[in-house]
Amino acid sequence: AQRVTQPEKLLSVFKGAPVELKCNYSYSGSPELFWYVQYSRQRLQLLLRHISRESIKGFTADLNKGETSFHLKKPFAQEEDSAMYYCALQTGANNLFFGTGTRLTVIP
Amino acid sequence: GAGVSQSPRYKVAKRGQDVALRCDPISGHVSLFWYQQALGQGPEFLTYFQNEAQLDKSGLPSDRFFAERPEGSVSTLKIQRTQQEDSAVYLCASSLSGGVAEAFFGQGTRLTVV
Repeated sequence: AQRVTQPEKLLSVFKGAPVELKCNYSYSGSPELFWYVQYSRQRLQLLLRHISRESIKGFTADLNKGETSFHLKKPFAQEEDSAMYYCALQTGANNLFFGTGTRLTVIP
Repeated sequence: GAGVSQSPRYKVAKRGQDVALRCDPISGHVSLFWYQQALGQGPEFLTYFQNEAQLDKSGLPSDRFFAERPEGSVSTLKIQRTQQEDSAVYLCASSLSGGVAEAFFGQGTRLTVV
């Protein structure tokens, strides 16, 4: 069975400090992984996906199949990064399996 | 419209009541998804439509849950005889033609069963 683990429910960092939100997965198939973000009082939205290998808002995430991880990283956190972040695994064409989320707070 | 619209935004139901939650997807979007998000949890898949066809309902937790999209546009999620464990935010998402990764989410309906 698939599993997505986000070990930290809460994470606080100071502005300008590096940030890493952890995500580990368990899946027997070929994984497609995503990070979603939900800013305060806004909708859940896609932040990035591993197949794109792109940087969005300064965030990057590398799929490490050996460690079954897909950690989200940003070298210098900004106050506007404060939000809820969800790691998600696509299982089948139309089903996303989400982790429980990490609330990031960037302290000014 | 500006995006996926869900109504009502908040719903309080007495245990045993039936509720109906509405989703207006982005115009022209073929795919529509429903997710349930309990407090402190990530969203969990409920069901998926392609146009009016319900292609996957494997996530519906019980036969009290029913979803429809009769004309391939607006969708309704109905919960019969609500229970306290049904309390959650119900999210709807739609995508133009692709899968869930290309979908846009609505703001959700927060259901509280008392």
